[in-house]
Amino acid sequence: DTGVSQNPRHKITKRGQNVTFRCDPISEHNRLYWYRQTLGQGPEFLTYFQNEAQLEKSRLLSDRFSAERPKGSFSTLEIQRTEQGDSAMYLCASRPQFGLLDTTDTQYFGPGTRLTVL
Amino acid sequence: DAKTTQPPSMDCAEGRAANLPCNHSTISGNEYVYWYRQIHSQGPQYIIHGLKNNETNEMASLIITEDRKSSTLILPHATLRDTAVYYCIVRAHLPSSGTYKYIFGTGTRLKVLA
Repeated sequence: DTGVSQNPRHKITKRGQNVTFRCDPISEHNRLYWYRQTLGQGPEFLTYFQNEAQLEKSRLLSDRFSAERPKGSFSTLEIQRTEQGDSAMYLCASRPQFGLLDTTDTQYFGPGTRLTVL
Repeated sequence: DAKTTQPPSMDCAEGRAANLPCNHSTISGNEYVYWYRQIHSQGPQYIIHGLKNNETNEMASLIITEDRKSSTLILPHATLRDTAVYYCIVRAHLPSSGTYKYIFGTGTRLKVLA
């Protein structure tokens, strides 16, 4: 399977604990996005990487959140001191760099990591 | 940010065409409309996208009105496996990086009935 993969698929933690999620994008996709989806809502943008550089961060990404993509391949999203409001599905998406004639922006999503904070 | 408006839910009989409408009246002139679907507990799956002309692929057809303020996704012969939440999406430009983020609405929950 050459799609976007995310691990773990499910994470249950107690309030106050730290958690880390991993995303492996499609090979050769240099653009990577993180989104958060709460129950009954559509996904909301969190952050964007181009290769290893984190170029965008949403207001939703509080100081307790940090994301990295150290070698421009896989990415990690860490939440410190989790709160019950952090319970959500965390989705990763990737896409290749535009070709010269391609101005579209199809993002390919992984299966997500569902976080439950007790 | 441009917004999309979709009906919260729809039913469709198996084998029939499912027509899912979307309003995106604030979309800018050079912005694409994307459609994704999300089956329970999975990540969103790309279906189709378009700018001005109608588009068709192996999954669906996309009809965009001439004024581009609305569009309709058509699943020509819905099956039980098409039961999902369907999202109509526009992008928002992020000036500092030059990239775009997807703006999802709350989507339409399509139930295909046997």
